[in-house]
Amino acid sequence: ETGVTQTPRHLVMGMTNKKSLKCEQHLGHNAMYWYKQSAKKPLELMFVYNFKEQTENNSVPSRFSPECPNSSHLFLHLHTLQPEDSALYLCASSQDSASGGAGQYFGAGTRLSVL
Amino acid sequence: DQQVKQNSPSLSVQEGRISILNCDYTNSMFDYFLWYKKYPAEGPTFLISISSIKDKNEDGRFTVFLNKSAKHLSLHIVPSQPGDSAVYFCAASAKTGANNLFFGTGTRLTVIP
Repeated sequence: ETGVTQTPRHLVMGMTNKKSLKCEQHLGHNAMYWYKQSAKKPLELMFVYNFKEQTENNSVPSRFSPECPNSSHLFLHLHTLQPEDSALYLCASSQDSASGGAGQYFGAGTRLSVL
Repeated sequence: DQQVKQNSPSLSVQEGRISILNCDYTNSMFDYFLWYKKYPAEGPTFLISISSIKDKNEDGRFTVFLNKSAKHLSLHIVPSQPGDSAVYFCAASAKTGANNLFFGTGTRLTVIP
């Protein structure tokens, strides 16, 4: 248990659906991250939030919409996704965005399938 | 194009022997490197890191070696234990505190009892 909880663990959605992924951290951290891992591809950073402010958007399509209402919660709102968006979505947190990779704690991920 | 590459998708090692996991990178601006370990149904956890000012960092059974001229790093686990069986990811960033990590695709290590 890393202190970062993601729900749901698995999600199947159609291309016209709207769904949200949730991430919650109980570590008192101030930075939160969304990563995507597609099959046979490396983990890719999508978004970074530091003290609730988005500090990084790695050229992510607008059909992915992040929300960070407070330092403990991070959401990824999904709408009109494509089958190629099927992937494992991982959330991470760190003390702040300058903590570097060693300070990032990951959740177990949400396995998303888009039909 | 992938900037961090782990060319071996899997590795099997006998318990008690040495495990060597390899990683290559292409971006000469990378100066901080990390290894993560991932068990099934869990997120990656940080294992060990090395800054480019060093060529070796050791933590118990785990040692990371960095060869900057070859843009290559390796993780040595000795002696290997069955509990080390997991997927190991190599990652790199352009500076020590950077949050933008570039990951490899991982190597699945199986330690055979």
